Amino acid sequence: NAGVTQTPKFRVLKTGQSMTLLCAQDMNHEYMYWYRQDPGMGLRLIHYSVGEGTTAKGEVPDGYNVSRLKKQNFLLGLESAAPSQTSVYFCASGTGISYGYTFGSGTRLTVV
Amino acid sequence: KNEVEQSPQNLTAQEGEFITINCSYSVGISALHWLQQHPGGGIVSLFMLSSGKKKHGRLIATINIQEKHSSLHITASHPRDSAVYICAVNDMRFGAGTRLTVKP
Repeated sequence: NAGVTQTPKFRVLKTGQSMTLLCAQDMNHEYMYWYRQDPGMGLRLIHYSVGEGTTAKGEVPDGYNVSRLKKQNFLLGLESAAPSQTSVYFCASGTGISYGYTFGSGTRLTVV
Repeated sequence: KNEVEQSPQNLTAQEGEFITINCSYSVGISALHWLQQHPGGGIVSLFMLSSGKKKHGRLIATINIQEKHSSLHITASHPRDSAVYICAVNDMRFGAGTRLTVKP
């Protein structure tokens, strides 16, 4: 019963380093999302995908890139990490805005 | 002004009390979601509403489309209900959350 799996769960990066966060779902969902959660600000949408091979920008896309080469995977990349990208990142998947969503357990990223 | 506003920000209750958390939104919606974020960080989807009322156990969610308002009620609250409750609309535009603490 995997649902949505995020890797890694924790990571510390130095400013300027790059990394990729992986989100994998086994529910055949079309929609996938990446969010960041910062204290006092709630969840904010970074990028999303409505199907394999598609991506779109959300509310706070700057400094991030995404890819959805396979339906089950949605990758979030940081090309040159900055301290402002210190956050908890959540991935979610679903079948559309009128249906429920399943969230991953989150990735806590610290950029020093 | 945030498109999704929740109140209160923080709520402390005694075990057994009836809890109400409110969500107001300023955009047209296709659906409104209530989510629960546990102290450990995990997020669970509680309800998806497009009209009326839904009930699951001790949780009740209502929505008034004309007034652009939704409420989440918890009856007979219990310390295990302590969590952050988040309202979200459409393509997951989120409120800032309501932190609920239920004391025994």
